[in-house]
Amino acid sequence: DTEVTQTPKHLVMGMTNKKSLKCEQHMGHRAMYWYKQKAKKPPELMFVYSYEKLSINESVPSRFSPECPNSSLLNLHLHALQPEDSALYLCASSQGLDRGIEAFFGQGTRLTVV
Amino acid sequence: KNQVEQSPQSLIILEGKNCTLQCNYTVSPFSNLRWYKQDTGRGPVSLTIMTFSENTKSNGRYTATLDADTKQSSLHITASQLSDSASYICVVSAGGNNRLAFGKGNQVVVIP
Repeated sequence: DTEVTQTPKHLVMGMTNKKSLKCEQHMGHRAMYWYKQKAKKPPELMFVYSYEKLSINESVPSRFSPECPNSSLLNLHLHALQPEDSALYLCASSQGLDRGIEAFFGQGTRLTVV
Repeated sequence: KNQVEQSPQSLIILEGKNCTLQCNYTVSPFSNLRWYKQDTGRGPVSLTIMTFSENTKSNGRYTATLDADTKQSSLHITASQLSDSASYICVVSAGGNNRLAFGKGNQVVVIP
């Protein structure tokens, strides 16, 4: 199993809503990542977890709240988002932080904030 | 300044033809370079990954080359198919660093 599974595939939410994005992998990877990608732009790193602990937060606004309940799961909780937060949100995992170049990506969640 | 520059930004090619995409990087010390294919609205899928000691690596109709001296890589697509229409992203990692530098991608459109 070399898959990173993200749910939902598509999400439309209002600016007052609270929603969560989910990511799951069963490759035994200990590093997990959240990226944000706008159209025709490269992915931008948001958060990195290593051994279930937050390792990197790229100065992401607090309306995005990551959570790593266990080594296989990564969540991104969303609250009070803005329309400019609409983007493709990608989850990735790698064996470790030093193996980031070998990361597997999920298929992404297409988020639209209305 | 972007540490990974890709060219051309976009490319239209006829089905069955070959094309070559370029990636120049300034990341130092260089560790690994990876080419991804990304369909619109989908996650990136790995094509090749190369270390500094590798010059060429193939994956089906995709062949990547790397010149660590000139800090250049290319991705050659042979006998293009309509399904090759996608963005091709070059990603470079620095030695001992968990940060990745992404290029902006080469947008390829294959037409019948």
